[in-house]
Amino acid sequence: EAGVVQSPRYKIIEKKQPVAFWCNPISGHNTLYWYLQNLGQGPELLIRYENEEAVDDSQLPKDRFSAERLKGVDSTLKIQPAELGDSAVYLCASSAGGDPTTSLGTQYFGPGTRLLVL
Amino acid sequence: GDSVTQMEGPVTLSEEAFLTINCTYTATGYPSLFWYVQYPGEGLQLLLKATKADDKGSNKGFEATYRKETTSFHLEKGSVQVSDSAVYFCALSGQAGTALIFGKGTTLSVSS
Repeated sequence: EAGVVQSPRYKIIEKKQPVAFWCNPISGHNTLYWYLQNLGQGPELLIRYENEEAVDDSQLPKDRFSAERLKGVDSTLKIQPAELGDSAVYLCASSAGGDPTTSLGTQYFGPGTRLLVL
Repeated sequence: GDSVTQMEGPVTLSEEAFLTINCTYTATGYPSLFWYVQYPGEGLQLLLKATKADDKGSNKGFEATYRKETTSFHLEKGSVQVSDSAVYFCALSGQAGTALIFGKGTTLSVSS
């Protein structure tokens, strides 16, 4: 079974440019997460989807970040315009159920997209 | 708010050495606790978890016990292998029940 797929794996852009990341979750997983991982830090939640609905986007900087999950499957995270401080790894994860304390809720992570803003 | 504190790395060990990576947490209520591992070039993988006090999670020779009295969830392995070299993250489930809150990660390097 394929895992969580993310693309691109690496992206280098100049500041003020737009950038988009794509995530394809594990088939059948209704819950999708985007995390931000700064260098030397653990991942931090940006947004969580249940199917196509964003149920927790309180940590998403909405002035420049946006996300969508059309049809409740693939998701795209966009930054416009990018700033130097956005250089980080963007992780996508999915699970079959929302509660991580259950086996259904176990989160499976993709390899991440490493963004460098110059 | 809820938080996780891990011992800073890197941790460098010889093969067959005993491993301990310390993790303590601050949380409201009774969180569930997790250890995730990230091998080079791969995504984070769940290593083990414990959902209530005194539970012991175990997997691949690793184990951790949920200690409510010391708010700790230390990761241990009796004999590490070179293939265990990775970054280890301690995490807890937040109040919402679904958001994971991670520590900063501890890099383990095992040499033969």
